[in-house]
Amino acid sequence: SQTIHQWPATLVQPVGSPLSLECTVEGTSNPNLYWYRQAAGRGLQLLFYSVGIGQISSEVPQNLSASRPQDRQFILSSKKLLLSDSGFYLCAGGQGPGELFFGEGSRLTVL
Amino acid sequence: AQSVTQLDSQVPVFEEAPVELRCNYSSSVSVYLFWYVQYPNQGLQLLLKYLSGSTLVKGINGFEAEFNKSQTSFHLRKPSVHISDTAEYFCAVFTRASGSARQLTFGSGTQLTVLP
Repeated sequence: SQTIHQWPATLVQPVGSPLSLECTVEGTSNPNLYWYRQAAGRGLQLLFYSVGIGQISSEVPQNLSASRPQDRQFILSSKKLLLSDSGFYLCAGGQGPGELFFGEGSRLTVL
Repeated sequence: AQSVTQLDSQVPVFEEAPVELRCNYSSSVSVYLFWYVQYPNQGLQLLLKYLSGSTLVKGINGFEAEFNKSQTSFHLRKPSVHISDTAEYFCAVFTRASGSARQLTFGSGTQLTVLP
């Protein structure tokens, strides 16, 4: 079965510091990969998606970036965090239309 | 572009009572419909999906949903809830166009709280 591992699970960072969240996939090859952000009571916002190595599409302008250095690895980064970057970040993978499998999430608090 | 509306942000219900979580969508093309569940501090998992065929679909944990094309709805139901069903539930819509991540749209979620 398909599994997503995501880390770290929780992170507290000061404003202006860098960020790196990592996601790896098991049980499938060449999946579409996604980064979502979930703010309290506001549902899921798609940040980035990737259909293959080195192929990244951004859905919203922001100070975050994503990279896919390997088929099963997806990284979310920032050079300088903002307070507004706080939230619950979810990595997801999918091969069928609309059917996603999610990681456990990474909770980021920017102080 | 499609949109998804979950009419209730919070639904409290007593244990063993029935529950319905409402979802309406708008789209100019045919859609696939999904319900996902998120337990506290976890990722989402697929509860059930409608792709085609029978409009009544059954999912895990005793949940079912009915696709109503004329009312553009996909309400989630369970005849008798348990404490363990306490979670946030997300309705999602995927348009039957050529593949693109932007065509999966989530609702804002409904927090189901089952009371003893």
